[in-house]
Amino acid sequence: DSGVTQTPKHLITATGQRVTLRCSPRSGDLSVYWYQQSLDQGLQFLIQYYNGEERAKGNILERFSAQQFPDLHSELNLSSLELGDSALYFCASSVQGAFNTGELFFGEGSRLTVL
Amino acid sequence: SQQGEEDPQALSIQEGENATMNCSYKTSINNLQWYRQNSGRGLVHLILIRSNEREKHSGRLRVTLDTSKKSSSLLITASRAADTASYFCATDASGANSKLTFGKGITLSVRP
Repeated sequence: DSGVTQTPKHLITATGQRVTLRCSPRSGDLSVYWYQQSLDQGLQFLIQYYNGEERAKGNILERFSAQQFPDLHSELNLSSLELGDSALYFCASSVQGAFNTGELFFGEGSRLTVL
Repeated sequence: SQQGEEDPQALSIQEGENATMNCSYKTSINNLQWYRQNSGRGLVHLILIRSNEREKHSGRLRVTLDTSKKSSSLLITASRAADTASYFCATDASGANSKLTFGKGITLSVRP
């Protein structure tokens, strides 16, 4: 058990819909990272938050947004969903993350299926 | 784009044999990390090697880093069937706003 909690574990929805994925980091970890894993693209970095502020941005679509709340949990919002958004979405946390990245602790992921 | 590129893409060995996996990357790094993922599960951190280190050991794992060649290798000695998984290298590129970038992974199958 990594200590990172992601909900929901599985989500099935239709094209055009909007979903919210939630992540609770390990106790004490200030950084939260979101990754998307699909068979064709591999593990893609989406976005990182550090202590409530956006720290780094990757290949995140404009239809996607995220935030980290004062209690350090994070949410990833995916809107106007397309078939290609079907993937496993991972949240990870780490103690570091201000200017270098140490060990990441991954949650078990949220599997999104868009029909 | 992927920073790390693992090689080979797939590896099948007999239990008890050693498994060697390689990773190459393109830019300067703060550190390089190896992760393991069992099918459909979250990634688990195995080992981190900093840019000023050349070799590191952890149990049956040995990692080397050659910054001049921008490459790393992960050696798993005396492999077990339970080592069957996907293995990823991840690089923390130098500079501000660092983030961990993963390769596409190596699928390791250990036959009992």
